[in-house]
Amino acid sequence: GQQLNQSPQSMFIQEGEDVSMNCTSSSIFNTWLWYKQDPGEGPVLLIALYKAGELTSNGRLTAQFGITRKDSFLNISASIPSDVGIYFCAGQENRDDKIIFGKGTRLHILP
Amino acid sequence: KAGVTQTPRYLIKTRGQQVTLSCSPISGHRSVSWYQQTPGQGLQFLFEYFSETQRNKGNFPGRFSGRQFSNSRSEMNVSTLELGDSALYLCASSLGPGLNEKLFFGSGTQLSVL
Repeated sequence: GQQLNQSPQSMFIQEGEDVSMNCTSSSIFNTWLWYKQDPGEGPVLLIALYKAGELTSNGRLTAQFGITRKDSFLNISASIPSDVGIYFCAGQENRDDKIIFGKGTRLHILP
Repeated sequence: KAGVTQTPRYLIKTRGQQVTLSCSPISGHRSVSWYQQTPGQGLQFLFEYFSETQRNKGNFPGRFSGRQFSNSRSEMNVSTLELGDSALYLCASSLGPGLNEKLFFGSGTQLSVL
C-alpha cells in the first residue's frame, strides 16, 4: 500500500536557524500537502503543491514538489519559538484517493 | 466562517463499551474524513464520506464505522472498545473529491480507554 516516509522524526535547533525536512513516497503523488500541529489542536494546512517541480512559499516557509513526484521538501528559515510543533507531510496519489500522512517531524527550539 | 467542530473534546470509556464521535464540517464542505492519531504513528486514515456515501476506507477493523448525514455532518462509531483504541480522533472536511483537496481539521476528540 501507499507509504510516506518523513524525516527526520525530530529536530532540536537553536532559534534563528534554518530547518529542512522531507518526505518520500513509495508511489507517485499528484498532490503534496504540508501541515503543522500545535499541542491540543488539529493540524493546520501550511502549503499545498499540485505540480511536479512546483516551489511555493508561505512567509518563512518554502515547500517543493519533487520532480520525480515521489518526494517533497519543507524548509523553514530563521526559526522562531512559535515554529515549535509537529510538521506532517501528506500526499494524494490521484484526485479521488484518500490523503495519507507521514508520521511527522517534531520540531524543538532550544532556548 | 466557522471551522470544523468536533464533539466531545474528551472522552473516557472502558473496554468493551462503544463510543460515537461527532463532526460538523465547514459550511459548504461536503466531504468528511476521519483519522486516528497515536504517538509515533502519525495520522492513520479511517474513512472518507461524501454525499452520505463512504468513498474510501483505511485498514481498520469493522469495529470502526461511520456515517454522513444529508447536512454533511458525520459521526464515527467504535464498538467493543479496546485499550489500543486510545487515541486522538481527528475529523477533516474538504470541498469534495477532485477539487484540489485541502483538508481542514477540527481539534479532535481525545479518547481514553481504560
